[in-house]
Amino acid sequence: GENVEQHPSTLSVQEGDSAVIKCTYSDSASNYFPWYKQELGKGPQLIIDIRSNVGEKKDQRIAVTLNKTAKHFSLHITETQPEDSAVYFCAASIGYGGSQGNLIFGKGTKLSVKP
Amino acid sequence: DAGITQSPRHKVTETGTPVTLRCHQTENHRYMYWYRQDPGHGLRLIHYSYGVKDTDKGEVSDGYSVSRSKTEDFLLTLESATSSQTSVYFCATALKEEFEQFFGPGTRLTVL
Repeated sequence: GENVEQHPSTLSVQEGDSAVIKCTYSDSASNYFPWYKQELGKGPQLIIDIRSNVGEKKDQRIAVTLNKTAKHFSLHITETQPEDSAVYFCAASIGYGGSQGNLIFGKGTKLSVKP
Repeated sequence: DAGITQSPRHKVTETGTPVTLRCHQTENHRYMYWYRQDPGHGLRLIHYSYGVKDTDKGEVSDGYSVSRSKTEDFLLTLESATSSQTSVYFCATALKEEFEQFFGPGTRLTVL
């Protein structure tokens, strides 16, 4: 079945530095790749998503890149701030079969931004 | 934020007892999902619904059942709770598949 690998599992950066989180997926038919941020004690919240017909998408300090050939996508956060500290999850949609459209999540990256 | 509530927010129960978790939404979203979140495993799909009375199994469905009799409500039942079902359970909703999923605040379940 579909598998999503996420690296690193923990990431510590200085405030103002950039952070990059990478994910690979196994299903070549996946079409939808969202990124979620989860703060302590809360449910995940979508921060950015990308579809298979787009290679890059930006929203202020956050960007996502997608390489369909290599089956990997990455989250880039620039000018990190302490409030960016959280757990980040990537996900990929299942591309075929009865579960088509459902999401498979990576195991998460705990980002710590030091002031 | 989408109006998604989960009840109860915390529950402690004993092995072998039945448990029902409730997810309620006010967004009229067609799709609803139940996930469990465990350290080192991320979010794993238990069951999902694509309409009233239309449900299907996810990745980790053994020991769980669901029901959706109204658009607003999606119930997750553990027929006979086991310690391996100790987890944080999240409900999510979406307008369409492969669209943004909105998550509820979660239910922390402890099975002793």
